[in-house]
Amino acid sequence: EAGVTQSPTHLIKTRGQQVTLRCSPISGHTSVYWYQQALGLGLQFLLWYDEGEERNRGNFPPRFSGRQFPNYSSELNVNALELEDSALYLCASSPQVSLGETQYFGPGTRLLVL
Amino acid sequence: AQTVTQSQPEMSVQEAETVTLSCTYDTSESDYYLFWYKQPPSRQMILVIRQEAYKQQNATENRFSVNFQKAAKSFSLKISDSQLGDAAMYFCAYSTSGSRLTFGEGTQLTVNP
Repeated sequence: EAGVTQSPTHLIKTRGQQVTLRCSPISGHTSVYWYQQALGLGLQFLLWYDEGEERNRGNFPPRFSGRQFPNYSSELNVNALELEDSALYLCASSPQVSLGETQYFGPGTRLLVL
Repeated sequence: AQTVTQSQPEMSVQEAETVTLSCTYDTSESDYYLFWYKQPPSRQMILVIRQEAYKQQNATENRFSVNFQKAAKSFSLKISDSQLGDAAMYFCAYSTSGSRLTFGEGTQLTVNP
């Protein structure tokens, strides 16, 4: 069974640009989560999508947005990039919307903003 | 707000020995789940073990076991017979309503040959 996949693996952008990160969940999983792992800030929850709807959002500005497609894959968009957006962006999926379902992570996308 | 604290930024253990990583959490919820994930240098987050708060029995997965003390809000991870491949950053995480994971700061584990 294929795991969670993310693309691209690495990305370099400049301040003010926009970026789109992509995630494909494990087959049969309907929930997709996005986390940011910035140096010195640990892992922070960004967004949660299930059945095409945004279910929960972390404490991030509106320039962080995303969506989930009918095939449950997801995109994370970041507009007006700032230097502090440099981080590893991790996507995770879980099989259903219920308390405590294990989240399985992809390999991440490393974003560097210059 | 829920918080997760890992008080040991770094730990080291000799190969084949046992090591315990500490984690405490703060919550007012009665129903929740706790996890340990490992993140090797590849940065891939890998599930190590999962514990349901309503279960009194401590979870075990091969060489990995937890000591879950609900009243003390403590959730430590014991790694027995440590192997070189166990070297990684270990994150304690908590999940409740909203299904988001709240992570601790992480403990960097070094395994010495």
